[in-house]
Amino acid sequence: DTEVTQTPKHLVMGMTNKKSLKCEQHMGHRAMYWYKQKAKKPPELMFVYSYEKLSINESVPSRFSPECPNSSLLNLHLHALQPEDSALYLCASSQIPPLAGEYEQYFGPGTRLTVT
Amino acid sequence: GESVGLHLPTLSVQEGDNSIINCAYSNSASDYFIWYKQESGKGPQFIIDIRSNMDKRQGQRVTVLLNKTVKHLSLQIAATQPGDSAVYFCAENSPDKLIFGTGTRLQVFP
Repeated sequence: DTEVTQTPKHLVMGMTNKKSLKCEQHMGHRAMYWYKQKAKKPPELMFVYSYEKLSINESVPSRFSPECPNSSLLNLHLHALQPEDSALYLCASSQIPPLAGEYEQYFGPGTRLTVT
Repeated sequence: GESVGLHLPTLSVQEGDNSIINCAYSNSASDYFIWYKQESGKGPQFIIDIRSNMDKRQGQRVTVLLNKTVKHLSLQIAATQPGDSAVYFCAENSPDKLIFGTGTRLQVFP
């Protein structure tokens, strides 16, 4: 199974709402990632979890709160977002470099988020 | 910094022709590079990778070339098909995270 799944596929939320994005993988990967992608732009890294611990936070505003409950799940909690946060949110997973010698990140299909 | 412009570079090729997509990377210490394909409404999909100790790597219908002297990557797609239409991103491992290039849209016409 080389699939990363994300739910929901689409999400519309108001600026006062609280919502969560979910990501799951069953490839045994111990690194998981959140990316944000705006239209016609490349993915931009937000967070990295290694062995269920947050290892990289790319100076993301606190209205985005990641959580890694176990080695297969990754959540992104959203609160008080702004319209400019509307984007495609991508989850990815990989082996832990460099021990595994593999760096390839497997991406999910993304959640299309619209903040109104 | 923020890339300028709202338009992706576009490469238009006729079905059956070969395509060459180019990418310049930024970090001379990067040791691993990946090409991803992203179709509309989908997440990036791995195409091929190459390590910095190699100059060339071939896959099925695809070849990646790495020129470390000028920090340049290229992706060659042989006999381009309509299903190859997508946005293609190069990415460098720099050093503990992937940095994506700006992307190139490949359009295949009959």
